[in-house]
Amino acid sequence: AQTVTQSQPEMSVQEAETVTLSCTYDTSESNYYLFWYKQPPSRQMILVIRQEAYKQQNATENRFSVNFQKAAKSFSLKISDSQLGDTAMYFCAFTERGGGADGLTFGKGTHLIIQP
Amino acid sequence: NAGVTQTPKFQVLKTGQSMTLQCAQDMNHNSMYWYRQDPGMGLRLIYYSASEGTTDKGEVPNGYNVSRLNKREFSLRLESAAPSQTSVYFCASSEGLANYGYTFGSGTRLTVV
Repeated sequence: AQTVTQSQPEMSVQEAETVTLSCTYDTSESNYYLFWYKQPPSRQMILVIRQEAYKQQNATENRFSVNFQKAAKSFSLKISDSQLGDTAMYFCAFTERGGGADGLTFGKGTHLIIQP
Repeated sequence: NAGVTQTPKFQVLKTGQSMTLQCAQDMNHNSMYWYRQDPGMGLRLIYYSASEGTTDKGEVPNGYNVSRLNKREFSLRLESAAPSQTSVYFCASSEGLANYGYTFGSGTRLTVV
C-alpha cells in the first residue's frame, strides 16, 4: 500500500515570505501522480497543483511550485510571496498511473499560518 | 454551478441513530468516493465506486454502508451511529481513474453524542 508522509504538522511564516511544505511518499511504481490540495477554514478542498511522475519538469501554478525529486520520493510545495489567504491546511496526495480506481492516498496535512 | 453536492452540511445524531449522507455530481464522472477527515489523521477512504453498479471498501469501512444509486448519486449510510464516527465527511468524484484528482463536495460535519 502506498503511504504519504507530511512531517510538519504546523508551520507559521510572515506575510510575503517564501515557505516550503514537505511531503514524502512510498511506492514501488514508476508512473504515478502527485497532488497538493488546500483546505481553507471554509472546509472546501481545492486542488493547488498536480505533477505527473514521468515528467521531469516541476509543475508551477502562479506563486505555487513543486520540487519533485523522484529518486528521493519527495514532493515539496513552495509558496512564494505568501499571502494571508494562503492560511489553510495543505494535503499532499498520491495515486498510481492506471491503478487509481481506489483513488487518492492523502497525507495527514500541514497547517500553514500566514502572519500579518 | 457544476460540481459535487453533499447534504446535509451539519448533523447531530444520538448514539444508535441512523442516517444517510447524500452525494450527487453533475459532471458525468464515473468514479465516486467517500472520505472521513479527523484531526491529525488526514483524509481516509471509507468506500468508493469505480463505476455505476460497483462499490468497494476503502481503508475504514466498518460501521458504514454505501449505495451507488445511479451514475450521479452515491450515498453513505450509518446504521447505528457511534461517537467514534464523529467526523467531517467528504464526497468526491473523478472522471475515471483519479489521475487528474478529484472534485470535492463541501463536506458534512457530523457529531454523534
